[in-house]
Amino acid sequence: GEDVEQSLFLSVREGDSSVINCTYTDSSSTYLYWYKQEPGAGLQLLTYIFSNMDMKQDQRLTVLLNKKDKHLSLRIADTQTGDSAIYFCAESRGGTYKYIFGTGTRLKVLA
Amino acid sequence: GAVVSQHPSRVICKSGTSVKIECRSLDFQATTMFWYRQFPKQSLMLMATSNEGSKATYEQGVEKDKFLINHASLTLSTLTVTSAHPEDSSFYICSSSGTNQGSNEQFFGPGTRLTVL
Repeated sequence: GEDVEQSLFLSVREGDSSVINCTYTDSSSTYLYWYKQEPGAGLQLLTYIFSNMDMKQDQRLTVLLNKKDKHLSLRIADTQTGDSAIYFCAESRGGTYKYIFGTGTRLKVLA
Repeated sequence: GAVVSQHPSRVICKSGTSVKIECRSLDFQATTMFWYRQFPKQSLMLMATSNEGSKATYEQGVEKDKFLINHASLTLSTLTVTSAHPEDSSFYICSSSGTNQGSNEQFFGPGTRLTVL
């Protein structure tokens, strides 16, 4: 199937690290993305990783990719209240721009 | 990143009317545009893929005659919800691609919230 699964909710305290997980099914995925969506708004690209990479770090964000297990994670260091949002992973396949989105994880940061 | 706009941002209409939503790529030529639908607290569901100058490719279960897509230029795509009904109420998001061949990246518009009374 084409399902891309994420846990629905995550709650962390301000200053702690957040880890959002994503599992996908298609081993032909070429790029995997993390998007942030705030209430009533569109999607903001946070970062992406090419499928031949294991890890990518960008300031507070660290992406880990385990191709064998088809598992992707996003770690947010020093989580802030402004990080509260819904986070979607997405995969694109082959030479196509078509995305398959994950189910979304709602992150709540407690002050 | 590239900028994509949508108009209107919010629309309320009566049942049976048609509503047109515009998606514009402001600073690049988008060879491909996508239309998504998002229900409250759910993920984005791809409705259709449109390439400039050709007919849109609709996902399974999406009615072509209900959701008319036109991609007449490299900077504009429109989605028309025909004879709208309350069940069509949703958040519609477009995206554009074609500017960055290195990452297959899509650039998303801010979304249009449609409410059908």
